[in-house]
Amino acid sequence: DAGVIQSPRHEVTEMGQEVTLRCKPISGHDYLFWYRQTMMRGLELLIYFNNNVPIDDSGMPEDRFSAKMPNASFSTLKIQPSEPRDSAVYFCASSVDRGTEAFFGQGTRLTVV
Amino acid sequence: GQNIDQPTEMTATEGAIVQINCTYQTSGFNGLFWYQQHAGEAPTFLSYNVLDGLEEKGRFSSFLSRSKGYSYLLLKELQMKDSASYLCAVRDRGGNAGNMLTFGGGTRLMVKP
Repeated sequence: DAGVIQSPRHEVTEMGQEVTLRCKPISGHDYLFWYRQTMMRGLELLIYFNNNVPIDDSGMPEDRFSAKMPNASFSTLKIQPSEPRDSAVYFCASSVDRGTEAFFGQGTRLTVV
Repeated sequence: GQNIDQPTEMTATEGAIVQINCTYQTSGFNGLFWYQQHAGEAPTFLSYNVLDGLEEKGRFSSFLSRSKGYSYLLLKELQMKDSASYLCAVRDRGGNAGNMLTFGGGTRLMVKP
């Protein structure tokens, strides 16, 4: 398996634009997590899915953020409209169970100018 | 909620031993993970402790004391490639986000020749 695949690796966008981040989890993993990492706040869990169903989105900062998982092999994290404070590295991770070892994708470095 | 504390930065010499400490407070402890993250890369799993004691894996060992809310990661025979951030993550069994991982801020280790 190629591991967790995220795209794009880097994204630079202007404030107010819509941004969509994509993730393909490891096949057979039932859990998918979206994290955000910044120098100030470290690694924060935004939302996680179990079998394509969102379970806990309490970490999503505000209504500008939304996430979907239409099938077992694909998830998106959307920010609309984007703001400079959204600049961070966004990681997607998947695991067999919600408390077991999580495998991370390479991340998407988002810069909002 | 959880509170996880790690030193922000540490410096050590190639060939030496370094111990990275992590203290935590949680209402329903259910395991502690250590991840390694090189600059610009994804976190990768290093170790897992759920019972008290030492888990050894090659040059890396991890120790846990549940009564003290304390863990450490021990790196022996340091190599330059060990320069990275080391993230302590605690699993909590309670609430809607039960069995989720909460990450500490990470310890950036610099190995010098």
